[in-house]
Amino acid sequence: GESVGLHLPTLSVQEGDNSIINCAYSNSASDYFIWYKQESGKGPQFIIDIRSNMDKRQGQRVTVLLNKTVKHLSLQIAATQPGDSAVYFCAENEDSSYKLIFGSGTRLLVRP
Amino acid sequence: KAGVTQTPRYLIKTRGQQVTLSCSPISGHRSVSWYQQTPGQGLQFLFEYFSETQRNKGNFPGRFSGRQFSNSRSEMNVSTLELGDSALYLCASSLAGQGKKLFFGSGTQLSVL
Repeated sequence: GESVGLHLPTLSVQEGDNSIINCAYSNSASDYFIWYKQESGKGPQFIIDIRSNMDKRQGQRVTVLLNKTVKHLSLQIAATQPGDSAVYFCAENEDSSYKLIFGSGTRLLVRP
Repeated sequence: KAGVTQTPRYLIKTRGQQVTLSCSPISGHRSVSWYQQTPGQGLQFLFEYFSETQRNKGNFPGRFSGRQFSNSRSEMNVSTLELGDSALYLCASSLAGQGKKLFFGSGTQLSVL
C-alpha cells in the first residue's frame, strides 16, 4: 500500500550542529517530494521540495537529498537553531494525483 | 499577502451532530485541499478542489463532503459525527502550475464528545 515513513521519530541535536532527518517512501512512481515543518498549534509550513529528476536541492540552511534507487529522502539542516524545533514531515506525490502522502513525522529537539 | 484562513479555530460537538468548516485560500490560489491530522493516523488526504470541481477524494466515508465556491473559498462538512472524527482539519491552497506545493492554514481543531 501507499506509505511514506520516517526512521527516527525523535531527533535531539545540539544547537549549532547539523541535523539530518530521513524518510523512506514506497511508491516508485512518485515524482515530487516535499518537506514541511509543523510547530505546535500551527499548520505545516513549506520548507523545500524536489522533483524526481533531481538528486539534490539547496535552500537557506536546508538541503534535500533524493535517492531514487533506494527510495530515500533526507532533509539536512545546517547550524540548527532553537527555532528549528518542530515536527518535520516528508510527503510524496505522483504526478497523476492531486494529493500528498505524508510520512508520520520526526520531532526535532534542539538542545541549547 | 494573507495566508490560508480557516474558521473556526476550535469546535466542540457531540456525537451525531454535523459540522461545517470554512477555508479561504491565498488570493489567486484556485486549488484547495483538505487533510485530517490525528496523532494515530497522521496527515491524511480528504479531498481536493479546483475551479469548483472535486478532482481527488481520499479514503473517507461519505459523511465527509466538501465544496468549493466560485471565489475559490471552500467548505467541508462532516455529518453524523463520531468520536473518531476528533482531529485537526487542515486546509491548504496551491497556485495553478505549482501543483502540489501546498500552503496550509492553522487548521480547525474539532473535538467530538
